[in-house]
Formats: sequence, structure tokens, C-alpha cells
Amino acid sequence: GAVVSQHPSRVICKSGTSVKIECRSLDFQATTMFWYRQFPKKSLMLMATSNEGSKATYEQGVEKDKFLINHASLTLSTLTVTSAHPEDSSFYICSARAPSGRGETQYFGPGTRLLVL
Amino acid sequence: QKEVEQDPGPLSVPEGAIVSLNCTYSNSAFQYFMWYRQYSRKGPELLMYTYSSGNKEDGRFTAQVDKSSKYISLFIRDSQPSDSATYLCAMTRNTGTASKLTFGTGTRLQVTL
Repeated sequence: GAVVSQHPSRVICKSGTSVKIECRSLDFQATTMFWYRQFPKKSLMLMATSNEGSKATYEQGVEKDKFLINHASLTLSTLTVTSAHPEDSSFYICSARAPSGRGETQYFGPGTRLLVL
Repeated sequence: QKEVEQDPGPLSVPEGAIVSLNCTYSNSAFQYFMWYRQYSRKGPELLMYTYSSGNKEDGRFTAQVDKSSKYISLFIRDSQPSDSATYLCAMTRNTGTASKLTFGTGTRLQVTL
């Protein structure tokens, strides 16, 4: 099946610093990737849709200057949490739209746990 | 009213039981339906996807879609302790370039020995 990786798997940082999370599609090209946030025992909350070569589309209520998304290639999207604060601590998960012929499914990365002190 | 309703559980069953997980939805525009399994502190793993009414089987898993009733199910036969996880239903309208998924809240399943 389609494999999506994320790096790092967990990160601890000080308040005010910026953190970059990478999402890679390992065995397929992904023109569209998605970034989600998940709180404990809650479902996934879509933050933004990342399209290769164009600006990301953010969901309502998500600050685009806070959560910078770059989709520079067909296999890599990055999410940068700028000037992180403790309330940004969460589980961040990316997904990539399935290759053609596999329906409108998404394959998810393993997630990145961010803790801001 | 949420677009997708899913009982959060928890659902506890003995090993070997048949598990039935369900979601209902309100928007008839949804065309593609998926089931994901998520272990604690991990990303969701795609189990099944389907786009037509009826049944689709894959090993111990059967996905069922009833578009007329706006109701989807996932059946797990011969459940194992390793099936203990949260199961998320998801669906999409097939909007072409931006196929956003709409998720259910997830059902937490516990299979006991």
C-alpha cells in the first residue's frame, strides 16, 4: 500500500520557538496532502490542504501565519508551527491523497507529537 | 446535527466475537466511504474503502454501505485483542482536486481475552 512518513515522531520545544514537521509520500507522488490536528480521544481536525506548487488552503479558524505549509515537491509537504506556545501542543498528522485508481482515499502518516513547554 | 454520526463507545467484546461498527450520515452527496483503524498515539490506517452500496470483504473485515438509508457498517469476524483500537469512518463527496474527508468521531473497541 501507499506509505506516508512523518518526521520527527515527537518533539519538545520551548515556548516561542518554531518547529518544522515533514510529511513524505514514500512510494507515490502526492499532488495533494492534508494536515490534521488531533486532541486526546478526539477525532481528526483538518487544518489545511496542501497542493504542490501552490498556496495551501486553510480551514476556517486556522491561522495561516501561525501554521506555515510548504509543498515544494510531489513527495514532501512541511508544516512549520511558528512561535509555538503551550496551547499548540498536540498530535499533528499528515495525509496524502491516494494515487489515481484508489478512489478518493487518503493515506496517513504516523503522526508527530508536539509538546511546547 | 453532525454530518456523520458515530457512537464513540467504548465497545467491549470477548475474543472471537463478531464486531459491528456503524456510522450514519446526512449528506447524500457523499460517494466514497472509508474505514480507518487508529491505535493509540499512531496515525490512522486505511482498512477498507468503497463507493457503491453493498458489501466488500477483505479477510476478516466486511464493509457494508446502504446509500438509501445513509448507513455504513464495518464488521470484524473472529475479533482478536490486536483489533483493540479506535475505528473511524470517513467519507468524501469526490470534489476532484480537494477531496476532504469528513470523519465520524471514532468508536473505541476493546477485545478482551
